[in-house]
Amino acid sequence: ETGVTQTPRHLVMGMTNKKSLKCEQHLGHNAMYWYKQSAKKPLELMFVYNFKEQTENNSVPSRFSPECPNSSHLFLHLHTLQPEDSALYLCASSQDPPGQTGGYTFGSGTRLTVV
Amino acid sequence: GQNIDQPTEMTATEGAIVQINCTYQTSGFNGLFWYQQHAGEAPTFLSYNVLDGLEEKGRFSSFLSRSKGYSYLLLKELQMKDSASYLCAVVDSNYQLIWGAGTKLIIKP
Repeated sequence: ETGVTQTPRHLVMGMTNKKSLKCEQHLGHNAMYWYKQSAKKPLELMFVYNFKEQTENNSVPSRFSPECPNSSHLFLHLHTLQPEDSALYLCASSQDPPGQTGGYTFGSGTRLTVV
Repeated sequence: GQNIDQPTEMTATEGAIVQINCTYQTSGFNGLFWYQQHAGEAPTFLSYNVLDGLEEKGRFSSFLSRSKGYSYLLLKELQMKDSASYLCAVVDSNYQLIWGAGTKLIIKP
């Protein structure tokens, strides 16, 4: 347990399904992030929320929709995904900006498979 | 563009020493992180360097040379549990983390 909890751990969904990933942190951090991790590729930053405000959207397709109702919770809503969206989706939190305090604390991720 | 380079995979023997290198070209520099990630688990913080030199923390040490855009992670007295991926990440001038693709370290008995 890292202090950042992600559910579900595994998700298999069809291309026409709608599902949501959930992330929760109680570390008192003020920033939360969604990352996509594909095999042998660098972590891809998707969205950043700082004090509940979205500060970054790295040209992510609209089939991914983030929601941050408060500074402890972060959701990623998924709709009509493509097989190439299959990956590990990691949530992280930090004190913004990241630094000596340990950078980001990551959740264990959701392994998503789109069929 | 911004770029972080690290070897894709390395193999080492239990009890030995291994050095994982990371070179970077980024717009500005505000520190470098090393993370460890076991398969199917969250990346976990190992070290943070912002000044040149060597930081030692038990069996793990991390070195930084800002003038060369270079860092390494040194693992001593390797144990089987050290088999994992090691991720290098640089904080750029906008305080964004730029990530390498990770180095998969395989430890053999």
